[in-house]
Amino acid sequence: TQLLEQSPQFLSIQEGENLTVYCNSSSVFSSLQWYRQEPGEGPVLLVTVVTGGEVKKLKRLTFQFGDARKDSSLHITAAQPGDTGLYLCAGGLQGGSEKLVFGKGTKLTVNP
Amino acid sequence: NAGVMQNPRHLVRRRGQEARLRCSPMKGHSHVYWYRQLPEEGLKFMVYLQKENIIDESGMPKERFSAEFPKEGPSILRIQQVVRGDSAAYFCASSPTGRFKNIQYFGAGTRLSVL
Repeated sequence: TQLLEQSPQFLSIQEGENLTVYCNSSSVFSSLQWYRQEPGEGPVLLVTVVTGGEVKKLKRLTFQFGDARKDSSLHITAAQPGDTGLYLCAGGLQGGSEKLVFGKGTKLTVNP
Repeated sequence: NAGVMQNPRHLVRRRGQEARLRCSPMKGHSHVYWYRQLPEEGLKFMVYLQKENIIDESGMPKERFSAEFPKEGPSILRIQQVVRGDSAAYFCASSPTGRFKNIQYFGAGTRLSVL
């Protein structure tokens, strides 16, 4: 059973388009992180959200944590080829140990 | 300010040999986590350690796998008598103490190939 479901699994778009990636669960998380992973490398932390309803912006990336802290979204405006990569969401379970639960990821390709 | 350092980056072992994976956390971090990533799968938690203590090993197989984080030196993930199914990327993460302890920073990983 996958605790965190990410969608879509694959996304191929043209440069300049907007996109949204979703991360959903039936469990409540104390925090949720988004990472980006390049082939052959480790995940790089993009953002952490901890408060229900929280919205964080990182240049063209907007992250939102659901009010009930069960889901999150990542929106990219005017995507660029440099945004290509695997985007992973990971959550710390409410009342659980410090381990992170990961989604399987969204593989994004931005074509020039 | 060095990040999480893992070595080796690539490790090739024959079935039955031992694999030792090392992880040095970020400076000032006292919490270390090990995760495994299989092809087309998400990262799966294995073990969480603090200095000289295993806090949570619920994701680590009971047989052949062990982990330590000694008072001095890096954290070690040890796999004895490796089998082909152990082939995967193994990632170490570290986090600071206090209220941000579940914000984890990852190393570049060790890619283990078992022949």
